[in-house]
Amino acid sequence: QQQVKQSPQSLIVQKGGISIINCAYENTAFDYFPWYQQFPGKGPALLIAIRPDVSEKKEGRFTISFNKSAKQFSLHIMDSQPGDSATYFCAASMNAGGTSYGKLTFGQGTILTVHP
Amino acid sequence: DTAVSQTPKYLVTQMGNDKSIKCEQNLGHDTMYWYKQDSKKFLKIMFSYNNKELIINETVPNRFSPKSPDKAHLNLHINSLELGDSAVYFCASSQDTGSRSNQPQHFGDGTRLSIL
Repeated sequence: QQQVKQSPQSLIVQKGGISIINCAYENTAFDYFPWYQQFPGKGPALLIAIRPDVSEKKEGRFTISFNKSAKQFSLHIMDSQPGDSATYFCAASMNAGGTSYGKLTFGQGTILTVHP
Repeated sequence: DTAVSQTPKYLVTQMGNDKSIKCEQNLGHDTMYWYKQDSKKFLKIMFSYNNKELIINETVPNRFSPKSPDKAHLNLHINSLELGDSAVYFCASSQDTGSRSNQPQHFGDGTRLSIL
């Protein structure tokens, strides 16, 4: 069962533009929503994360918008740069202990290409 | 200094063989994970260990056996390799902070397993 759905599958943006990637989740017990960035040949690296007690979190050019009622969250990359070209994954996990302890459920990934 | 290191980086082997992948983290974390990334880049958790104790075991064939000799190491042994095991296997680690289990996970750069 796919609990986190991510779109679009791929995204092409011009340098300086805004990149927007969307995710939707089903499990209302999720309470931690990170975004990971993965370059070819490398492991995913944490980019930014949000908890559901806030609706937005900004770190530099990266912003997460969170809509708890709609069970959706999105990543906005402002002033996109060619160096941002990578695969982006949204994820979700719950603070429930037991077998859900630290378990990240990932979206399908978005391949972002930023043209110079 | 590499925070989470995996060996080998590449593993090419025949169907039916047994192989092991090793992971070490120098972050002082006490929780470690194995994830599988398939050819479509989908990431799925396989196992998680906290203080050498298995806490997450997804529906993974029992040909896969994780082993944690100490908090800094988590190895993955795979018996009777099958074509479908071809994937990139990522090790990750995070810090257990008690009640807040959702801490950033730091990933290694993966082991690319190819079954001939």
